[in-house]
Amino acid sequence: AQSVTQLGSHVSVSEGALVLLRCNYSSSVPPYLFWYVQYPNQGLQLLLKYTTGATLVKGINGFEAEFKKSETSFHLTKPSAHMSDAAEYFCAVSKSPNNAGNMLTFGGGTRLMVKP
Amino acid sequence: DTAVSQTPKYLVTQMGNDKSIKCEQNLGHDTMYWYKQDSKKFLKIMFSYNNKELIINETVPNRFSPKSPDKAHLNLHINSLELGDSAVYFCASSQDTYGYTFGSGTRLTVV
Repeated sequence: AQSVTQLGSHVSVSEGALVLLRCNYSSSVPPYLFWYVQYPNQGLQLLLKYTTGATLVKGINGFEAEFKKSETSFHLTKPSAHMSDAAEYFCAVSKSPNNAGNMLTFGGGTRLMVKP
Repeated sequence: DTAVSQTPKYLVTQMGNDKSIKCEQNLGHDTMYWYKQDSKKFLKIMFSYNNKELIINETVPNRFSPKSPDKAHLNLHINSLELGDSAVYFCASSQDTYGYTFGSGTRLTVV
């Protein structure tokens, strides 16, 4: 079974400050890891994903995440927060993509608030 | 051109009614999904279909019945709606795990 834990349901940063959203996972097989962003009243948009290869993954809007197997973590960072980054962020894990109908298991989400 | 489209976007209905939510994808993906997001924003898979065949059914009450007439469509029919069914329902499609695309959601409110 797989699970995802996002530490901190709410994170508040000042505009221009570092953004760090934490994600830890549990998986019995090599995981595939994802970060999604959800703006108010909208669907989920993929920020970035780790499948294989380089453990530092760069995504859209200046976000990046690093897969650390020894720590079972996939934390999301951005060097400088912008007001438009305020949203709900979801970390998700999946098994190998080789199986049809593979599902995503989501963490509980972290609401990022950006103060002017 | 919307990749995964759901209709309606908002649905308000009374307890006991039957309602349907439609989903269509124009990405040519083989697999489609329904996810439920509750009031605390928690997202959980409900169903997955691959080429019109049910693959995943995650302990969802049998009042929920997905229907896939073809691989581009996955509709969700809900019988005898209950207050606890109020949530946002997301349709998604993928060719493999790399290519998950979500719809914009249907906010269902049962009164």
